[in-house]
Amino acid sequence: AQSVAQPEDQVNVAEGNPLTVKCTYSVSGNPYLFWYVQYPNRGLQFLLKYITGDNLVKGSYGFEAEFNKSQTSFHLKKPSALVSDSALYFCAVGGATNKLIFGTGTLLAVQP
Amino acid sequence: GAVVSQHPSRVICKSGTSVKIECRSLDFQATTMFWYRQFPKQSLMLMATSNEGSKATYEQGVEKDKFLINHASLTLSTLTVTSAHPEDSSFYICSATRGTKSYEQYFGPGTRLTVT
Repeated sequence: AQSVAQPEDQVNVAEGNPLTVKCTYSVSGNPYLFWYVQYPNRGLQFLLKYITGDNLVKGSYGFEAEFNKSQTSFHLKKPSALVSDSALYFCAVGGATNKLIFGTGTLLAVQP
Repeated sequence: GAVVSQHPSRVICKSGTSVKIECRSLDFQATTMFWYRQFPKQSLMLMATSNEGSKATYEQGVEKDKFLINHASLTLSTLTVTSAHPEDSSFYICSATRGTKSYEQYFGPGTRLTVT
């Protein structure tokens, strides 16, 4: 069975500092991994995905994520956080079907 | 490209009535659409998978007679909440994929349903 874990309910970071939002996964076979961002009362916006290829994936708004097979992780990172990055971030995993399993979400709060 | 819309964005209805939510892919043909439900400060829960021209596949624990899904065309899926109750109040989000081998889902903006 597929599963994804986001161990942190909330991450606090000062503006201008690097940020990391953690995600680990469990899936049989090759994983398809995604990060989405959600602003209040809005749908999800796609940030980036890993299907195959380079382990470092670059996405929208300066975000990137590194696929680490040995640690079964896909942490989201950004070198310099902006206040406007404050939102709810979801990691998701897909497998043989095109269903996605979502993590519980991590609230990112960037302080000015 | 890959824009998904939902209508309405907010709806308030009385207990016992039914409400329909539309999900449209505006600039692509969606082979598959998904319906999710999201409770406050919680993750998305997949309710059902909808393929054009066929019956929706519901996840375990989701009442198919209560949450009617129709996927009449490659650009439109509808979710009807029948005989709504206050506990059906939630944020409903649809998503769509394009192509048969796409793993990337494009999400609608969501519909806030409040049942009084």
